[in-house]
Amino acid sequence: AQSVTQPDIHITVSEGASLELRCNYSYGATPYLFWYVQSPGQGLQLLLKYFSGDTLVQGIKGFEAEFKRSQSSFNLRKPSVHWSDAAEYFCAVGLWSGGGADGLTFGKGTHLIIQP
Amino acid sequence: DAMVIQNPRYQVTQFGKPVTLSCSQTLNHNVMYWYQQKSSQAPKLLFHYYDKDFNNEADTPDNFQSRRPNTSFCFLDIRSPGLGDAAMYLCATSRDGRKAEAFFGQGTRLTVV
Repeated sequence: AQSVTQPDIHITVSEGASLELRCNYSYGATPYLFWYVQSPGQGLQLLLKYFSGDTLVQGIKGFEAEFKRSQSSFNLRKPSVHWSDAAEYFCAVGLWSGGGADGLTFGKGTHLIIQP
Repeated sequence: DAMVIQNPRYQVTQFGKPVTLSCSQTLNHNVMYWYQQKSSQAPKLLFHYYDKDFNNEADTPDNFQSRRPNTSFCFLDIRSPGLGDAAMYLCATSRDGRKAEAFFGQGTRLTVV
């Protein structure tokens, strides 16, 4: 079964500094990869996704992520964080078999704190 | 222009008293999912509908059931809620499941007293 590891439970970054959130997955083939953001008490919003092709993907709110097959990683980056980026970030793997839809497997999340 | 709507946002139920959570969508998506998210944990898939086909995750307790009477609506029924079922319940939809992003509702926070 596939799994997703987000090794950092909490990360604190100063406003204006760069950010990298780590994500590693375990799966026998190239999975479909996603990053979602969740503000307190809210649902999840998609930041970006990777299916195939260019390994550097651009998302909303100035985020990008790079797929590295050799490292089984899909790290999320942002060059300059804003206070509004404080939230919980989830990396997820999608696995679809046959014609059906199997849903997403999420990592445990990284809580991002922004220091003024 | 909310696309996935969950009602209510907050639900308090008594231990053992059946409760139903509601999800509706305006996207006309084929797939509807229910996830359970306990405090400070990742969302965990309970089950999903692909059109009318119901797909239950192997480790979803029998206490959890779901209904999808039409494309737009999906319900989560908890037959006998226990204290361990207190969580945020997230509904999500996707167009066809393959290479399609999931759109999430804002969730229903369930408290069991």
